[in-house]
Amino acid sequence: RKEVEQDPGPFNVPEGATVAFNCTYSNSASQSFFWYRQDCRKEPKLLMSVYSSGNEDGRFTAQLNRASQYISLLIRDSKLSDSATYLCVVNMRARSDSWGKFQFGAGTQVVVTP
Amino acid sequence: DTEVTQTPKHLVMGMTNKKSLKCEQHMGHRAMYWYKQKAKKPPELMFVYSYEKLSINESVPSRFSPECPNSSLLNLHLHALQPEDSALYLCASSRETGAVNTEAFFGQGTRLTVV
Repeated sequence: RKEVEQDPGPFNVPEGATVAFNCTYSNSASQSFFWYRQDCRKEPKLLMSVYSSGNEDGRFTAQLNRASQYISLLIRDSKLSDSATYLCVVNMRARSDSWGKFQFGAGTQVVVTP
Repeated sequence: DTEVTQTPKHLVMGMTNKKSLKCEQHMGHRAMYWYKQKAKKPPELMFVYSYEKLSINESVPSRFSPECPNSSLLNLHLHALQPEDSALYLCASSRETGAVNTEAFFGQGTRLTVV
């Protein structure tokens, strides 16, 4: 079983619509969670960190469900520029004194259409 | 400033060549990372440096040799690579590895082609 799993999509979303997708993680000791976006042939860019209480940044809302071990991302009022691959990233404990293992999911592709 | 700078942006090398990838950050981060990304796949962790010491090696072949000369610089020395090593090599940094909720910031990557 992969440590971080995502629905690869693609999610085809009309402009202005809402899209949401999840990411599950297997290591219950994971502590830090992030969403990154990656455009074709570019580096991953931090979209937002995901906090226990959930958090919102403009049109983007992230939630964390520790009991079921998943995080979610919701995009409201989708723009054409939101088309990208969204990568779920979990920071896992590598040793007793180190959290340095940022583990990536395979990514969810979102395509926003006019 | 959340910039991680990688050079070169593109590199073509033969299987007998020796080359180095360079990464630099001036955010005062004490953790630096090398990732490898193949097309349509997520980045895969290769190495983690924490306070200039190698803390994680994800069983990477010895033809890849990392080096951290100081807290701002990270190198990846390449020797006797194979064509299947062609990929996007990403460097990242974070404040430190010992704290939770510390984000990683990525450089633009070096697109490596081994011929």
